[in-house]
Amino acid sequence: EDKVVQSPLSLVVHEGDTVTLNCSYEVTNFRSLLWYKQEKKAPTFLFMLTSSGIEKKSGRLSSILDKKELFSILNITATQTGDSAVYLCAVGKRNAGGTSYGKLTFGQGTILTVHP
Amino acid sequence: DTGVSQDPRHKITKRGQNVTFRCDPISEHNRLYWYRQTLGQGPEFLTYFQNEAQLEKSRLLSDRFSAERPKGSFSTLEIQRTEQGDSAMYLCASSPTPGNTIYFGEGSWLTVV
Repeated sequence: EDKVVQSPLSLVVHEGDTVTLNCSYEVTNFRSLLWYKQEKKAPTFLFMLTSSGIEKKSGRLSSILDKKELFSILNITATQTGDSAVYLCAVGKRNAGGTSYGKLTFGQGTILTVHP
Repeated sequence: DTGVSQDPRHKITKRGQNVTFRCDPISEHNRLYWYRQTLGQGPEFLTYFQNEAQLEKSRLLSDRFSAERPKGSFSTLEIQRTEQGDSAMYLCASSPTPGNTIYFGEGSWLTVV
């Protein structure tokens, strides 16, 4: 059975700190790994990673994938109170035709709290 | 720019009643998904459509649940004879083909009392 595990489950930091969130997975027919941010509403898309070793960046957020070791990390530098949210990791699969397939398996999320 | 929209946003119903949720995906997205999320958990896949065809259903989708996408545009998710365990947020999402990136709607919160 496909499995996605995130750690830590929760994290409390102060503004300005740097945090690293972890996501490990065991999935057959892996196609991509996605990160979402959820703030008391629907998840909003952050990154999609398909290749190992290529860092994706967006402002203070960055993420990288290691397909050999089956994990990804999400880094947030200079955290702000607005970064407080649940960060979800999800894995997408390939279908029989080899194309991407939208059934995502999610981890349980990491709750990040940033204090002023 | 319209994203995925869901209606109603909140629904409180008595156990045993039927409820229906509607989802309008991003236009030109031919894939549509339903997920369910309970407190403290990540979303769980329920079902997905490619145009009007329902291509996969999770074993979480009991026979009390039915989803349709009759014209390949909007979709409905109906829950019959609701139970307290059905209380959750029901998320709709859509994506273009090909592509894994899924865009979620705001969700429909269901509380069964």
